[in-house]
Amino acid sequence: GEDVEQSLFLSVREGDSSVINCTYTDSSSTYLYWYKQEPGAGLQLLTYIFSNMDMKQDQRLTVLLNKKDKHLSLRIADTQTGDSAIYFCAESISGTASKLTFGTGTRLQVTL
Amino acid sequence: DAGVIQSPRHEVTEMGQEVTLRCKPISGHDYLFWYRQTMMRGLELLIYFNNNVPIDDSGMPEDRFSAKMPNASFSTLKIQPSEPRDSAVYFCASGGGNNEQFFGPGTRLTVL
Repeated sequence: GEDVEQSLFLSVREGDSSVINCTYTDSSSTYLYWYKQEPGAGLQLLTYIFSNMDMKQDQRLTVLLNKKDKHLSLRIADTQTGDSAIYFCAESISGTASKLTFGTGTRLQVTL
Repeated sequence: DAGVIQSPRHEVTEMGQEVTLRCKPISGHDYLFWYRQTMMRGLELLIYFNNNVPIDDSGMPEDRFSAKMPNASFSTLKIQPSEPRDSAVYFCASGGGNNEQFFGPGTRLTVL
């Protein structure tokens, strides 16, 4: 079955790097996603990675995928106060904007 | 495009009343999703449609919940009768064929 887990909370200092981790159980995942939710808002897609990739970089964001361990991480370089939000990882089995299974979300707190 | 539009943004009602939540997806998207978010259970997929047809409603909690999509530009989620445990933020999301889901701002429902 599908199960996606994340740690609940992460606190980092402004300017440091943040690493948010996620584990999933379904080895047939085709796409893995990172979404950001700011207070009072819906989820916003940050980035996604195909299951046949190991890494994807997009400006300050780096996604690493370890298929053997079913582990996904999101690294945010030079973390800013505007990065404070809840970050969700999600997996898709059949892809093409169909059903996603979301993790529990990690609340990132950026301190000065 | 204005993005996914949801109404109302906030709804306060009394137990036993009927509640109707509305969603206008992004034009051209052929997938529409309804989610519920609570502190206890996180983000749950309730139902999703493809080309106005319900594909998977296994997340709908019980018969009190129903969803319709009469055309490509409109969907409703109805709760009748509502109960205090239905209090949550309800999100609508739409997607095309490129693996992304775009979320609306959500409707915060409080059932007294």
